[in-house]
Parts: sequence; C-alpha cells; structure tokens
Amino acid sequence: QKEVEQNSGPLSVPEGAIASLNCTYSDRGSQSFFWYRQYSGKSPELIMSIYSNGDKEDGRFTAQLNKASQYVSLLIRDSQPSDSATYLCAVTGSSARQLTFGSGTQLTVLP
Amino acid sequence: GAVVSQHPSRVICKSGTSVKIECRSLDFQATTMFWYRQFPKKSLMLMATSNEGSKATYEQGVEKDKFLINHASLTLSTLTVTSAHPEDSSFYICSASTGLSTDTQYFGPGTRLTVL
Repeated sequence: QKEVEQNSGPLSVPEGAIASLNCTYSDRGSQSFFWYRQYSGKSPELIMSIYSNGDKEDGRFTAQLNKASQYVSLLIRDSQPSDSATYLCAVTGSSARQLTFGSGTQLTVLP
Repeated sequence: GAVVSQHPSRVICKSGTSVKIECRSLDFQATTMFWYRQFPKKSLMLMATSNEGSKATYEQGVEKDKFLINHASLTLSTLTVTSAHPEDSSFYICSASTGLSTDTQYFGPGTRLTVL
C-alpha cells in the first residue's frame, strides 16, 4: 500500500523564523511530488511541485527532494502569520497520475 | 491560469434527496478530473478518477451507484450524491489535471454538503 507520512504537528514557529516540514513516501517509483497549503474550511492550494532530486526555490518556499531516501521537505523562510495553515504533502505513484496525500502538518506562525 | 470552479459552494439537503455538484476547469482543458472527500481534521481521500468520455474509476469502498460521476466534456465533471444520508455530510473537492507529464492537479474551492 502506497503511503505518505508527515509529521502531524502541530508545528509552531515565531514570525520571521524558518518552518521546516517533512514528508516520506513508500513508493520508490514515485515521480511527482507536491506541497499544498490548506486553510481551515478551504480547499488545497498548490505551493510547490518538484520532480528531480535537489532543491527548488520559489520566493520564500524551498522544496527539497531526495529520492534515494524517499524524502521530500518544504522550507518556509521568513514565516508570516498568514502562513499558518495545514500543509499537505502529495505524491504520484509510478503507474498512475493519482495523488496520495499525507495526513498534513498544521503550522502556526506566532506573531 | 489553471482555475477550477465548483458549484454550489455549500448545500444543505434533506435525507433521501440527491445533490449534484459541478466542477469546471475555466481556463484549460482537463483530461482527467478527480473527486475527493474530506472529513474534519482529516486528509483528502480520493473517491474516483474520471477521464473525459469514459466511465469513472472508483476507489475501493466508494459506491459507484451512490456517487455518480459524469465527465462529459473537457471542462466539466459532475458528482451526484444519490439518496443522501447524514453520513454523506462532508467537504467534497474536485481537482483537474491537464494530463501532461507534470501531473499537477488544480483544486476547486470545494462543496460543503450537509444532509439533515
């Protein structure tokens, strides 16, 4: 069974700090990796996608992928209270375009 | 770009009635659309995958006769919850994919269904 595991949190960081969110996955053939942000009562919003090993930066967000370790992470620099949300890690498998979601990490950025 | 809309955003219905939820890709053609449901403080659970012009593929445990999915065009998919019961109350979210190799799914805003 394909699994995506995340630290459930909650994770609290002070405003301006770096928030680090982690995710591991079980399907070694996974090809596409995504981070979504979900505010309470809202649907997920795509933050980052990453497909190859290494780092990918977009503004204050950096996604890191290590396929050998089956690990993907999201760093949020200069965290803002508006970043407070649940962050979902999602992975597509080797044979399907379906996303498997982790349970999410709830992040709170304290002013 | 890549905007997905859902309608209605919120619906309250009586037990035994049917409810139709529409999902539209507004600025791209969605080869594949996905339907999820989410219970409070839980992650998204995939219900079914639909490809334009084909029958939907349902996940294990999802009753296809209860959750009718139609994907008649490249911009529209519908989910009909038939004979709804209180346990069907949930947040239903659709997503759409262009079908390109990047596999990115873009989510609609969701529909909150409450069955009385």
